[in-house]
Amino acid sequence: SYVLTQPPSVSVAPGQTAKITCAGNNLANKRVNWYLQKPGQAPLLVVYDDRDRPSGIPERFSGSKSGNTATLSVSRAEAGDEADYYCQVWDNDSGHVIFGGGTKVTVL
Amino acid sequence: EVQLVQSGAEVKQPGESLKISCKGFGYDFTNYWIGWARQRPGKGLEWMGIIFPSDSDIRYRPSFQGQVTFSADKSISTAYLQWNTLKASDTATYYCATNYCSRISCYSLQAFDIWGQGTVVTVSS
Repeated sequence: SYVLTQPPSVSVAPGQTAKITCAGNNLANKRVNWYLQKPGQAPLLVVYDDRDRPSGIPERFSGSKSGNTATLSVSRAEAGDEADYYCQVWDNDSGHVIFGGGTKVTVL
Repeated sequence: EVQLVQSGAEVKQPGESLKISCKGFGYDFTNYWIGWARQRPGKGLEWMGIIFPSDSDIRYRPSFQGQVTFSADKSISTAYLQWNTLKASDTATYYCATNYCSRISCYSLQAFDIWGQGTVVTVSS
């Protein structure tokens, strides 16, 4: 079945840019969505369709894709950005929704 | 306001059955997918599958096939997640989500923008 691969953890210094990657076969032809989840809270959509932001999400969150790897960038990182981040696609071949394993972002 | 409201916390014993709910408000519940996700204590999010309330098209992720049952009652805009025989390993927070386009463009409908608050299920003897 389809798999999305994320690094388990990413560290970033305050004020710098955290980059979280998501790799998958034929990802170039799929729409990638990104969620953040803080402890005790439901996931929150922060980027959809590769690079669009829902209303209310700061411009510091941006999405991009190159070939079969998508990247979520969180610029000007702050302590409040510490969370688990998940990528997600809808695999049209199987009809299934697929999530990556998640990346824990730590702001050092 | 568009929202999904889940049923309250449950404490069950191994071997018991359980059905938790997810009720949609403020949108056309019938014509958008509902997904379910599991999160065990201290662990990551695991996607369980999806159901389309209009025709009950159901797609379970392989790990959950045969372990749980999804259903929906269109008349009351409510989706359900059910277990026939609970195990201690089912202890987790369960979330529902919908791909209704509340804060986002309705172009692709591939993202889950609205999530329930979660239902904590504890299975212990």
